[in-house]
Amino acid sequence: EDQVTQSPEALRLQEGESSSLNCSYTVSGLRGLFWYRQDPGKGPEFLFTLYSAGEEKEKERLKATLTKKESFLHITAPKPEDSATYLCAVHPSGNTPLVFGKGTRLSVIA
Amino acid sequence: DAMVIQNPRYQVTQFGKPVTLSCSQTLNHNVMYWYQQKSSQAPKLLFHYYDKDFNNEADTPDNFQSRRPNTSFCFLDIRSPGLGDAAMYLCATRQPRSRNEQFFGPGTRLTVL
Repeated sequence: EDQVTQSPEALRLQEGESSSLNCSYTVSGLRGLFWYRQDPGKGPEFLFTLYSAGEEKEKERLKATLTKKESFLHITAPKPEDSATYLCAVHPSGNTPLVFGKGTRLSVIA
Repeated sequence: DAMVIQNPRYQVTQFGKPVTLSCSQTLNHNVMYWYQQKSSQAPKLLFHYYDKDFNNEADTPDNFQSRRPNTSFCFLDIRSPGLGDAAMYLCATRQPRSRNEQFFGPGTRLTVL
C-alpha cells in the first residue's frame, strides 16, 4: 500500500534557527513527489516537484531534496512568515491519485 | 491570473439540509479533484474527474455527489450533511499526461449546526 509519513508532526523554531522536515514514503513506482505549504484556513500552495533521487530544488529559504525512500525540506534561517503546515504528497505510478502525508506544523518564533 | 476559485469560502448549514459547493478554474485543466480535509489531517480524496469521466473513491459516502457540467466548473453536493461532514473542502486541478502538480483552490469551510 502506498504510504507517506511526515515527521515531526509539529516543529517550533526560533527565528534564524535552521532545520529540516522529513517525508518518508513507500510507493509502487514514483512519478513525482510534491511539497505544499498550507496556511490556516487556506488551500495548499504548491512549492516544489521532485522526480528522481538526487534531485534538489530551491526557493528562497527552502530547499527540497529527494532520495529513493524520503524527501527533506530544509529551511535555512527561517522567519515568522514561514510558519505554516508543510504537506508532502507522492504521485504513484499508474492512474492513481496523490497520496498525502498529514503534514508538519511549523511555528517560527521571533 | 489563471487560478482555481471556490465559492463560497465559508458555508454554514443545518444538520440534514442539502448544500452545494462550487469550484471553477481558468487553467483549462482536464482533471479536477474534490478533497475533504479535517483539522490536522491530510486531504482525503472524495472524487476526481478525468475530462467528463467520473471516478468515485471507494470510501466516499453516498451522501456526497458531484457534477461537472463543463471543463471549467465542478460542484460538490452534500445531500444530508451530518456533524461529521464539517470540514474544509478543497478543489484542485491538474493537466494530465504530465507530471505536473495539482493546483488547489482556497477551499470552502463547511460548518454544520
